[in-house]
Amino acid sequence: ILNVEQSPQSLHVQEGDSTNFTCGFPSSNFYALHWYRWETAKSPEALFVMTLNGDEKKKGRISATLNTKEGYSYLYIKGSQPEDSATYLCAFRNFGNEKLTFGTGTRLTIIP
Amino acid sequence: DGGITQSPKYLFRKEGQNVTLSCEQNLNHDAMYWYRQDPGQGLRLIYYSQIVNDFQKGDIAEGYSVSREKKESFPLTVTSAQKNPTAFYLCASSRGQTSGNTIYFGEGSWLTVV
Repeated sequence: ILNVEQSPQSLHVQEGDSTNFTCGFPSSNFYALHWYRWETAKSPEALFVMTLNGDEKKKGRISATLNTKEGYSYLYIKGSQPEDSATYLCAFRNFGNEKLTFGTGTRLTIIP
Repeated sequence: DGGITQSPKYLFRKEGQNVTLSCEQNLNHDAMYWYRQDPGQGLRLIYYSQIVNDFQKGDIAEGYSVSREKKESFPLTVTSAQKNPTAFYLCASSRGQTSGNTIYFGEGSWLTVV
């Protein structure tokens, strides 16, 4: 059973502050790492799919980095806004496995 | 609008009854998936299908059944053999199973068994 760990479990951040959180995954046989944002009462929405060690992806104020050798990815949010409040999920896939394994998510609340 | 439609959004059933959750996509995706979420746990894969008329068990398939008779439809039946059926169920789809293919999700179905 693959272990995907996200930390922290929850986070409160003042509006305007920047923040980041972590996704840890097995470092062997890496294939892909996905990040999703899940707002309450909506569908999870894809943010990034990362496949190469050292990858850095950006979408507006949100960016992510990937270190496959040590088995972690960081998600950064710059200048947090209330609409960033959501649960952020990461999901890992390794070679030889057709399935994504999800972490339990980081629940982010932005305080106005 | 293209997307994934799950129905019903909320479902109550008596213990011992089978229930079927509907999932339809108009994204022309080959692959479809069913996940289950329980409090404090990550999404867990129940079943997935890479192509019409073919599907595979995920990590927690016991007590569930699926069919994939049409590309756009992947219904999930929660049978009476499922010991803890009360949960939130998410359907998803993607172009295929390759690493770069984003997965798109429906809005989910809440199933409560009393």
